[in-house]
Amino acid sequence: AQSVAQPEDQVNVAEGNPLTVKCTYSVSGNPYLFWYVQYPNRGLQFLLKYITGDNLVKGSYGFEAEFNKSQTSFHLKKPSALVSDSALYFCAVRDLNDYKLSFGAGTTVTVRA
Amino acid sequence: GAGVSQTPSNKVTEKGKYVELRCDPISGHTALYWYRQSLGQGPEFLIYFQGTGAADDSGLPNDRFFAVRPEGSVSTLKIQRTERGDSAVYLCASSHASGNTGELFFGEGSRLTVL
Repeated sequence: AQSVAQPEDQVNVAEGNPLTVKCTYSVSGNPYLFWYVQYPNRGLQFLLKYITGDNLVKGSYGFEAEFNKSQTSFHLKKPSALVSDSALYFCAVRDLNDYKLSFGAGTTVTVRA
Repeated sequence: GAGVSQTPSNKVTEKGKYVELRCDPISGHTALYWYRQSLGQGPEFLIYFQGTGAADDSGLPNDRFFAVRPEGSVSTLKIQRTERGDSAVYLCASSHASGNTGELFFGEGSRLTVL
């Protein structure tokens, strides 16, 4: 079985400050990890993924995420947040031997001006 | 269009009625997924197609739910005898990767409200 935990329902930061959205996962084998963002009344948009290789993955809109196997984490980060980053963020995991993605419950990010 | 298209965007129905939700994936994508997203929750897997066949339907909640993809492109999610608990946003996604490393591309969803 595979699962994702996003321990924070909400994250609030000031514009220009670093942003971190936490994610931990559980899979039986090697994980494929993804981050998606959802703006109001819009579909989920892909941000970045970790498949293999370098533990630091860079994605869209200046976001990056670090895969940490020992801590089973894949936290999303942005060095300097923008008001336009305010949205709902989902972490997702897929086991090496599976095709379906399992999503976390989501974290609402609010960036205040 | 270039993205995943879902129709209708909104559907209001009465308890006990039959509903069909349509998904038109990105051209050339062989993998197609249906997810359900309830308020305040993450998307929940329903069913996965590879081509015309349902490779994994383990997420369908009961036998009132059924999905087809007869020509390996457009898919229809069918819900019989709808219940109020079926109210949610139904998301469709497609993927081009032949393996399972590819990201999913999502449509904007069909919001179902059962009165």
